[in-house]
Amino acid sequence: DIQMTQSPSTLSASVGDRVTISCRASQSVGTYLAWYQQKPGKGPNLLIYHASILESGVPSRFSGNGFGTEFTLTISNLQPDDFATYYCQQYDGCRPFGQGTKVEIK
Amino acid sequence: DVQLVESGGNLVQPGGSLRLSCAASGFTLSSYWMHWVRQVPGKGLVWVSYINTDGSRTDYADSVKGRFTISRDNAKSTIYLQMNSLRVEDTAVYYCARDGIDSRPIDSWGQGTLVSVSS
Repeated sequence: DIQMTQSPSTLSASVGDRVTISCRASQSVGTYLAWYQQKPGKGPNLLIYHASILESGVPSRFSGNGFGTEFTLTISNLQPDDFATYYCQQYDGCRPFGQGTKVEIK
Repeated sequence: DVQLVESGGNLVQPGGSLRLSCAASGFTLSSYWMHWVRQVPGKGLVWVSYINTDGSRTDYADSVKGRFTISRDNAKSTIYLQMNSLRVEDTAVYYCARDGIDSRPIDSWGQGTLVSVSS
């Protein structure tokens, strides 16, 4: 089965920073890679699909990149609402998630 | 609006069984692949199972294979997760989730139902 590995597990940043989260698949998933944001007590919110396509309504400061086994999520100009946990997920067949990256206030 | 409402979560002893339900509204359930995803409070998301539109294709995470069964009743707009031989490590909030259209990933989630496995 495909395994997804995210790094870092925790990221400390300040409002206005540019942050990047990495996600690695144990085998190629093409562009079948999604990114989700989750806040405490809430269900996840889809941010990006097909590795780089922004979901409708998601701010343009979020961007995704990658193909095959290496992917990144970048948040430019970090806003207070962006402090949350982020997950990658491959969706070609079984749907494993990465272990999550918590973006916290420095 | 899309709504997914889970029910059936409860406290159960190890080795016991439970059936979760997910009532869908605001869209035509028969057009969508559906999933169950679980999350231990404070921990990460774990995909559990999916079912295709007519129920002919399913798959499971290795951790639940042979113990859990996903099914659907499109006429009742409901999907189910039959959970047998429950273990302490199955304790989690279980979310029902809907795939997007055109090969898109999960785009809608329920509010979750808590399953606690303890003696």
